[in-house]
Amino acid sequence: GQNIDQPTEMTATEGAIVQINCTYQTSGFNGLFWYQQHAGEAPTFLSYNVLDGLEEKGRFSSFLSRSKGYSYLLLKELQMKDSASYLCAVRDSNYQLIWGAGTKLIIKP
Amino acid sequence: DAGITQSPRHKVTETGTPVTLRCHQTENHRYMYWYRQDPGHGLRLIHYSYGVKDTDKGEVSDGYSVSRSKTEDFLLTLESATSSQTSVYFCAISQDRSSYEQYFGPGTRLTVT
Repeated sequence: GQNIDQPTEMTATEGAIVQINCTYQTSGFNGLFWYQQHAGEAPTFLSYNVLDGLEEKGRFSSFLSRSKGYSYLLLKELQMKDSASYLCAVRDSNYQLIWGAGTKLIIKP
Repeated sequence: DAGITQSPRHKVTETGTPVTLRCHQTENHRYMYWYRQDPGHGLRLIHYSYGVKDTDKGEVSDGYSVSRSKTEDFLLTLESATSSQTSVYFCAISQDRSSYEQYFGPGTRLTVT
């Protein structure tokens, strides 16, 4: 079966750095995505990785290791507005997105 | 923001009644998707469309049907709603199947009593 695992909830302090991990087992691989979802709102795209390595976009970075079936999302200089759920998704061999259940990130002052 | 709307935004209905949810886009994107989101689960694909009158099943299609008669509209129908279909339903669009992003609508919260 296909499976995406990520922690259910994490807590971090404003101004700090947090790393959200995602491991996956899917039928094929055509890219890994991270989305942000604030409570009661729609998911919005954050990042896309298809090759191994680190992709940096401002305060957010995403890393991929295809051989390990592993990715992480790194958030730096945390702000209160970063309190949200972070969704990991993998595009499989049929070009369908398989989604993790999301990691709820709580930011404390 | 991508022009994508969903209607209704909230609906309460009784078990056994038919329900239709509408997704409307103004981006002229080829692909449209219906997902459901439940606590403890990731987004799960119900059906998707890759063009007018071209649709296919997703992971959790039982009890749902879809139609796409125009590029801009994608309808999701629950023929006879059940309590297990209580969920938040999201529509999403993408230009093609290998696009970087899917753009999501605001969601419809459906409660089946």
